[in-house]
Amino acid sequence: RKEVEQDPGPFNVPEGATVAFNCTYSNSASQSFFWYRQDCRKEPKLLMSVYSSGNEDGRFTAQLNRASQYISLLIRDSKLSDSATYLCVVNSDTGRRALTFGSGTRLQVQP
Amino acid sequence: EAGVTQFPSHSVIEKGQTVTLRCDPISGHDNLYWYRRVMGKEIKFLLHFVKESKQDESGMPNNRFLAERTGGTYSTLKVQPAELEDSGVYFCASSLSAGGPYDEQFFGPGTRLTVL
Repeated sequence: RKEVEQDPGPFNVPEGATVAFNCTYSNSASQSFFWYRQDCRKEPKLLMSVYSSGNEDGRFTAQLNRASQYISLLIRDSKLSDSATYLCVVNSDTGRRALTFGSGTRLQVQP
Repeated sequence: EAGVTQFPSHSVIEKGQTVTLRCDPISGHDNLYWYRRVMGKEIKFLLHFVKESKQDESGMPNNRFLAERTGGTYSTLKVQPAELEDSGVYFCASSLSAGGPYDEQFFGPGTRLTVL
């Protein structure tokens, strides 16, 4: 079983739609959580960190459910420029800084 | 401010040859990481330097891989001898020294390695 599981997609949505991605992680001791965005043939870039209380940044909302070991990302009012792969990323081990990546969910926003 | 840089951007070598990848972290970042993504798989951690010391090398696949960070600035990752399964994209990342688990890791553009 993978440590971080994501639906690979692709999610094809029209501009303006709301789309949600989910992710589950297997290590209950995981301590920090992130969503990264990766454009085709580019490096991953931090989209947002995910905190226990949930957090919002403009059109993006992230939620964490530690009991269910589940992370979500909601994108409202999708733009063409949101088309990318969204990586669920977890820091699994106390004292280590290694990030564990999901395989990513591809989003294609269509005009 | 310059981001993380990596050299070369692409490398094509034959099985059995040696390749050395270089990473220059963001200036002032003591933490430097190597990750790689092989075809069809997720990005996986290789190792973590704090300054010139190897903090965590639990992800290094075998002893054909050697990472160094002399002087605590740039880092090199040498693969010797390269095998076909080493093909993939090698990413370097860096982060600030004083921080906790939510320290942002900034990634470089990667080196795409192809072993023929």
